[in-house]
Amino acid sequence: EAGVAQSPRYKIIEKRQSVAFWCNPISGHATLYWYQQILGQGPKLLIQFQNNGVVDDSQLPKDRFSAERLKGVDSTLKIQPAKLEDSAVYLCASSVQETQYFGPGTRLLVL
Amino acid sequence: SQKIEQNSEALNIQEGKTATLTCNYTNYSPAYLQWYRQDPGRGPVFLLLIRENEKEKRKERLKVTFDTTLKQSLFHITASQPADSATYLCALGDGGATNKLIFGTGTLLAVQP
Repeated sequence: EAGVAQSPRYKIIEKRQSVAFWCNPISGHATLYWYQQILGQGPKLLIQFQNNGVVDDSQLPKDRFSAERLKGVDSTLKIQPAKLEDSAVYLCASSVQETQYFGPGTRLLVL
Repeated sequence: SQKIEQNSEALNIQEGKTATLTCNYTNYSPAYLQWYRQDPGRGPVFLLLIRENEKEKRKERLKVTFDTTLKQSLFHITASQPADSATYLCALGDGGATNKLIFGTGTLLAVQP
């Protein structure tokens, strides 16, 4: 069974630029999550989708972050404009029940 | 607000010994607790889940305990090996329809040969 796929793996941008991350969850997983993991910290939930609907985006900085999950499968997370403090690893996960399966993450560096 | 605390300092142990990691939480009543392993440059990998009505769970060399009175979980790795070296994250689940998880900061375990 293929795992959660994410791309790109690394991205370096300058502040105020925009960036987008892509996630392909495990086939059949209805729930998809985006997390932000700052160095030395645990993952922090940004947004959670159930199929193509948002069920929790309470910690998403909506003035600069947006996410969508078209057709209830792939998802894209966008940051526009980026700030220095957005430097982190962005993890995508999917689940069937309580167990979450994570992708390798996208490491973002904002200069 | 909800708070999850894990050993902030790295845990160094000798190969063959038992590693014990701690997860304490406040202002929260989780329906279950999970432990994940994270290697450098990779996403977390699920290890074990223990529910609020369970005291202990085992899987091969891993053992988890869950004390809802103390608001604490202990994670044990017996007969530790250098390959067990990684960061271990505990995560609390609310058990609601969203199965939302709140993660701790993780503990870095280093097993010396």
